[in-house]
Amino acid sequence: ELKVEQNPLFLSMQEGKNYTIYCNYSTTSDRLYWYRQDPGKSLESLFVLLSNGAVKQEGRLMASLDTKARLSTLHITAAVHDLSATYFCAGANFGNEKLTFGTGTRLTIIP
Amino acid sequence: NAGVMQNPRHLVRRRGQEARLRCSPMKGHSHVYWYRQLPEEGLKFMVYLQKENIIDESGMPKERFSAEFPKEGPSILRIQQVVRGDSAAYFCASSQLLAGVTRETQYFGPGTRLLVL
Repeated sequence: ELKVEQNPLFLSMQEGKNYTIYCNYSTTSDRLYWYRQDPGKSLESLFVLLSNGAVKQEGRLMASLDTKARLSTLHITAAVHDLSATYFCAGANFGNEKLTFGTGTRLTIIP
Repeated sequence: NAGVMQNPRHLVRRRGQEARLRCSPMKGHSHVYWYRQLPEEGLKFMVYLQKENIIDESGMPKERFSAEFPKEGPSILRIQQVVRGDSAAYFCASSQLLAGVTRETQYFGPGTRLLVL
């Protein structure tokens, strides 16, 4: 059974700083997703990573996937306040459509 | 193109009542998933449906919970005889799976927040 762990669970950082959120998974995952959730809102799809070495970037966020290490990272560059949210990673196995989510990382950007 | 629609957005029920949650997938999507999010936790998979078929219900509690996705109309998640522990946010997601191809992104609806008194 696929298990997904994220760390840290909570992250408070100053504007302008860089930081990385880590997502480890327990067994082979065919694909890895990153979602953002604002308080009381739904999940917004950020990235889907399909192969080893995949790297995707959107604005100040960059996601990467290392399937050998069973690790995905979400890197935040020069954080700004509107990036404050909870970020989830989720994995899925080939032929199995259900997503297994990590516990989330609650990110707070301090001015 | 409207996104995934869910209603109601908020639902209050007393213990023992029934809760019905509705989900209309994005246009062109024929696959629906239900997830539950307890306060301060991640989302947990409940059930995966295609039109008129339940594909995977491995995350559904064995009792009181049922789901359907009829040929016409929205998908419905039904919770009978609700208890306080059912209080959570229930999210529906949809995807468009091309024949023989997986790896499609799931797009989430706004959720239904169920409160059981």
